[in-house]
Amino acid sequence: NAGVTQTPKFQVLKTGQSMTLQCAQDMNHNSMYWYRQDPGMGLRLIYYSASEGTTDKGEVPNGYNVSRLNKREFSLRLESAAPSQTSVYFCASSPYQPQHFGDGTRLSIL
Amino acid sequence: QQQVKQSPQSLIVQKGGISIINCAYENTAFDYFPWYQQFPGKGPALLIAIRPDVSEKKEGRFTISFNKSAKQFSLHIMDSQPGDSATYFCAASNLRNTDKLIFGTGTRLQVFP
Repeated sequence: NAGVTQTPKFQVLKTGQSMTLQCAQDMNHNSMYWYRQDPGMGLRLIYYSASEGTTDKGEVPNGYNVSRLNKREFSLRLESAAPSQTSVYFCASSPYQPQHFGDGTRLSIL
Repeated sequence: QQQVKQSPQSLIVQKGGISIINCAYENTAFDYFPWYQQFPGKGPALLIAIRPDVSEKKEGRFTISFNKSAKQFSLHIMDSQPGDSATYFCAASNLRNTDKLIFGTGTRLQVFP
């Protein structure tokens, strides 16, 4: 069982570049989430999808967009990367509770 | 009112000792309180969770104590082991309305032999 798979694992971008973080789950979960983790800040919700075709903003959505492509996949896009978006990004999925997390994408923006 | 405050930020414990991490919340609508454990380079994983209808839940060496009137809950790790060294996050949710979690800021636990 793969669980929640995130790609890429590491990425370095220059300010202003765009990129999409990919997330896929094989557990048939309805809900999917994108978080960012920063030192001393815990996990902060960026976007949330309760089901295929629906998305909602979380606590820190500015600078990001998401797509719930189908039940399995939930992508996070940075249109114009900024140094403040340097972080570790986690995708999670859940049937309701608990949430199951991927191993993260470590993103550095120079 | 949505915050979950977690302390301490870091904790150093000797092998065999008791590790205690505390969390406090304001929103009385919260009805689900999980703890997640995260090892370096990995995503968080559910460790143990409690609902407010009980004051304590124990799973092996891990215990959640819940004080509804004080709006506080804590994680106790008995007989702490070096393999317990990880970052621990408390969280809270109002499951009647949402499955979204509000996370605390995390505690980095180091257990030395």
